[in-house]
Amino acid sequence: GAGVSQSPSNKVTEKGKDVELRCDPISGHTALYWYRQRLGQGLEFLIYFQGNSAPDKSGLPSDRFSAERTGESVSTLTIQRTQQEDSAVYLCASSVGLAVKETQYFGPGTRLLVL
Amino acid sequence: GENVEQHPSTLSVQEGDSAVIKCTYSDSASNYFPWYKQELGKRPQLIIDIRSNVGEKKDQRIAVTLNKTAKHFSLHITETQPEDSAVYFCAASPLQAGTALIFGKGTTLSVSS
Repeated sequence: GAGVSQSPSNKVTEKGKDVELRCDPISGHTALYWYRQRLGQGLEFLIYFQGNSAPDKSGLPSDRFSAERTGESVSTLTIQRTQQEDSAVYLCASSVGLAVKETQYFGPGTRLLVL
Repeated sequence: GENVEQHPSTLSVQEGDSAVIKCTYSDSASNYFPWYKQELGKRPQLIIDIRSNVGEKKDQRIAVTLNKTAKHFSLHITETQPEDSAVYFCAASPLQAGTALIFGKGTTLSVSS
């Protein structure tokens, strides 16, 4: 079946502009995660949605970052007033999200470059 | 919150040798420890995971060990092959849903033939 998809695959923007990144999780997955991966660095947790529960926003680096999810489907990560340090690959992952942790399936990522 | 440290950051081995990557975690509530492999330019993929009710788990050439008392866990790859070359990430979290998975910074493994 279809895996996690993300769009756009690449985004170049100017400093100060807003960007919106999209994630389509695997159908039926109730858990959805956003991570940031700077060049040569690890996976930095940003935000986590689990079903209808309030999202865990503890990883968002500043109030310029926000994310929404419509039910158990699409999620969008919005970065306002982008800065050069926001340049990174933004990865989305989803999992079945029942009672216990299980495999997270990652999307291909969106490569964001802020000039 | 949870903090995961991973060592070494880079590891070079000869084909056929073993490779060991170690991680430590800080939150005693963590009891789920997955390992992800990320090949160059590709998405991370789960290769093995362990839960705190076991001390070791093996899957062919890959094994993971867990020492919950010392709060560390390790990935062991035996008989390494060039296709094992990738970045490996460890992670930790409580087992129940509703909590985030916290990753280490990764280990770049290079296997030369």
